[in-house]
Amino acid sequence: DSGVTQTPKHLITATGQRVTLRCSPRSGDLSVYWYQQSLDQGLQFLIQYYNGEERAKGNILERFSAQQFPDLHSELNLSSLELGDSALYFCASSPRDSQNIQYFGAGTRLSVL
Amino acid sequence: LAKTTQPISMDSYEGQEVNITCSHNNIATNDYITWYQQFPSQGPRFIIQGYKTKVTNEVASLFIPADRKSSTLSLPRVSLSDTAVYYCLVGSRPGGGYNKLIFGAGTRLAVHP
Repeated sequence: DSGVTQTPKHLITATGQRVTLRCSPRSGDLSVYWYQQSLDQGLQFLIQYYNGEERAKGNILERFSAQQFPDLHSELNLSSLELGDSALYFCASSPRDSQNIQYFGAGTRLSVL
Repeated sequence: LAKTTQPISMDSYEGQEVNITCSHNNIATNDYITWYQQFPSQGPRFIIQGYKTKVTNEVASLFIPADRKSSTLSLPRVSLSDTAVYYCLVGSRPGGGYNKLIFGAGTRLAVHP
């Protein structure tokens, strides 16, 4: 158990809908990272927050957004969903900014039908 | 960020030692080498990190030659539960502005009875 909690584990929705994925980092970790893993793209970095502020952006679509709250949990919002958004979404955390040792949650499997 | 090259797949048998080599010809002076393990439908898990020579922990050993242009992850006496994808990543230490982990295709290790 990495200490990173992601909910829900599975999410099934329809095209055009909006969903919210939630992540609770390890106790004391200030950085939260979001990744997307699909069969054809592998693991892709989406966005990072550090202590409530956005720190780095990857190939995150404009339809996607994220935020980190004062209690350090984070939410990834995906809107206007398309079939191609079906993937595993992972959250990771680390104690400080810019760390290449990150602790990953079990992921949320999103299926867009 | 230094690009890494590693074998797409490897096969082994229970009880054998497995060595997975990663090439990183353009590694920078400040870069560290980090390995992750990922089981199907689970988040990646940090295995080991090193800068030069040899690092050993309870899970694996990491061998890095003097020129640091490659590294070898060594898994002693593998079992069926070591069947996973292993990723080699290269990047700088905390504070070096390295926010995102860039995962390649990894090496798919299959351990057979």
